[in-house]
Amino acid sequence: DIQMTQSPSSLSASIGDRVTFTCRASESISSYLNWYQQRPGKAPKVLIYATTNLQGGVPSRFSGGGYGTEFTLTISSLQPEDFATYYCQQSYNTPYTFGQGTKLEIK
Amino acid sequence: QVQLQESGPGLVKPSQTLSLTCSVSGDSISSADYYWTWIRQHPGKGLDWIGYIYYSGSTYYNPSLKSRLSISLDTSKNQFSLHLYAVTAADTAVYYCVRQILVVSAINYFDSWGQGRQVTVSS
Repeated sequence: DIQMTQSPSSLSASIGDRVTFTCRASESISSYLNWYQQRPGKAPKVLIYATTNLQGGVPSRFSGGGYGTEFTLTISSLQPEDFATYYCQQSYNTPYTFGQGTKLEIK
Repeated sequence: QVQLQESGPGLVKPSQTLSLTCSVSGDSISSADYYWTWIRQHPGKGLDWIGYIYYSGSTYYNPSLKSRLSISLDTSKNQFSLHLYAVTAADTAVYYCVRQILVVSAINYFDSWGQGRQVTVSS
């Protein structure tokens, strides 16, 4: 199985801050990397697919990058609704696997 | 807009079978554009992919669960189901049914989720 590792596991930030999360794969997954946001008690929601593609309806302050084994998710200016847990997921091959998540908290 | 809704028992005894059904509205599970997928989340933990079924009936299961797992389709009801056999306390989790959109090649992602069904395994 491809192991996905996210860092940091948690992050404190303020409204308006720019934040970047990192996701690393245990082997190359090309650009087959998706990002999800999960608010407490809710189902996850896709933000970005195939590394850089913004899902419809997702604000443009979210952006993704990377290739191979290292990927990033950036939020350019934090809004109150962005405080949640973020997961990366590889779709390169089965079994599909997720990172353990990065919890974004209000400072 | 597609909607998915899980249903089934919230409490299952150890060694018994966990059975959940996902009812899909706003889209047809007979579409070739999607996999119909189950994902679970253990309490306070991350997300684990369980497996999927395609409109043709073909399935792919997580090898870690394959020996205890079955996913099926009921096209007449626009539903798909999960059966997990011989459960233990380690199967306690929130179970999500999910639509997985197939874009091209390995570009696919989980674009629509049910609200989740909490299932507890306990005597």
